[in-house]
Amino acid sequence: GEDVEQSLFLSVREGDSSVINCTYTDSSSTYLYWYKQEPGAGLQLLTYIFSNMDMKQDQRLTVLLNKKDKHLSLRIADTQTGDSAIYFCAESLEGTNAGKSTFGDGTTLTVKP
Amino acid sequence: DAGVTQSPTHLIKTRGQQVTLRCSPKSGHDTVSWYQQALGQGPQFIFQYYEEEERQRGNFPDRFSGHQFPNYSSELNVNALLLGDSALYLCASSAGTGFSSYNEQFFGPGTRLTVL
Repeated sequence: GEDVEQSLFLSVREGDSSVINCTYTDSSSTYLYWYKQEPGAGLQLLTYIFSNMDMKQDQRLTVLLNKKDKHLSLRIADTQTGDSAIYFCAESLEGTNAGKSTFGDGTTLTVKP
Repeated sequence: DAGVTQSPTHLIKTRGQQVTLRCSPKSGHDTVSWYQQALGQGPQFIFQYYEEEERQRGNFPDRFSGHQFPNYSSELNVNALLLGDSALYLCASSAGTGFSSYNEQFFGPGTRLTVL
């Protein structure tokens, strides 16, 4: 079955880059996502990548996909204290309107001033 | 646009009771998915509703059931509550235009259920 794994914690200094890593097991995954969850809030989609892409950049965010190793990473440039949150990696076999997304357990990012 | 709304925000129940959680999708969305997020874990897919029918289901027992109304809003019902059902229940909506297309899934703030 599908499984998504992430490291639990990451701590960086304000202004540094953050890199959050994720591995997944289902080679059929079509879409891979990064969500952000702040305390007491729901999930906010940050970005997604289609499985036929290697990289996607969106302002301070860069997603890298190594399909051979089933490894996904999210790089946040110039990390700010407002970026402190839990970041979830997720995958789905089709678009999210079609069926379930499988989530990792989240990486807690702490940004120190 | 109010986005995805859920009610109630918090709920406390005792073991064996039944609970109903409600979700209103984002305007223009017709597909609703429900997730359970236990403390310290990622969300787990419960089921998804489209055109008032359950389209896909995760690994949850029959105690978890749902409904979608003609206005696309949805309810999640949990019977015979267990302590382990304590979690944040998230609703997500998207525009269902087919199995192969991508449409962003928007999450609500969730309902925090505590079972004592």
